[in-house]
Amino acid sequence: AQKVTQAQTEISVVEKEDVTLDCVYETRDTTYYLFWYKQPPSGELVFLIRRNSFDEQNEISGRYSWNFQKSTSSFNFTITASQVVDSAVYFCALSERTGGFKTIFGAGTRLFVKA
Amino acid sequence: DAGVIQSPRHEVTEMGQEVTLRCKLISGHNSLFWYRQTMMRGLELLIYFNNNVPIDDSGMPEDRFSAKMPNASFSTLKIQPSEPRDSAVYFCASSLGRDNSNQPQHFGDGTRLSIL
Repeated sequence: AQKVTQAQTEISVVEKEDVTLDCVYETRDTTYYLFWYKQPPSGELVFLIRRNSFDEQNEISGRYSWNFQKSTSSFNFTITASQVVDSAVYFCALSERTGGFKTIFGAGTRLFVKA
Repeated sequence: DAGVIQSPRHEVTEMGQEVTLRCKLISGHNSLFWYRQTMMRGLELLIYFNNNVPIDDSGMPEDRFSAKMPNASFSTLKIQPSEPRDSAVYFCASSLGRDNSNQPQHFGDGTRLSIL
């Protein structure tokens, strides 16, 4: 069965600090996809990134970077030089090809960035 | 381009009443997902459709919940009769593609439902 664990319930940092959000997943499938979504205080869910199981390249987009390691079944998300606008709940999600196209979301990590 | 549109944004009703939540997909998308979000249970997938056909409804809590896609661009989620424990934010999301496991989902703004 597929499973996504975000062990950090809440993280609080001061602006300009770097912060890493952890995501550990479980799957028996060899083909799967990992996602990160952001839910700001306004409530909407915003897609940030997708990564497939055959592409272990790390990705950087501005202040955001993602580290995908199949050996540890992790897909961690780092925000560099955090800003107050980064305050949100961040969800990691997993979708398996053989899972009936179902996407399973982790419980989310609430990030507070203080000025 | 318009995103996923949900209505109403907020709904407050008394227990026992019928509630209908509506969702308009992004034009051209062919998969539709209904989620429920609560503090206790997080984000739960209720049901999803591909090309108007329900693929997996195992997340629907009980027979009081039903979802339909009368056409390719529109869906409803109905709760009848509603109960206080149904209070939550309900999200609709859509995506594009035959194999939706690799496609990001685009979410609506959600409907905040309160059952008194």
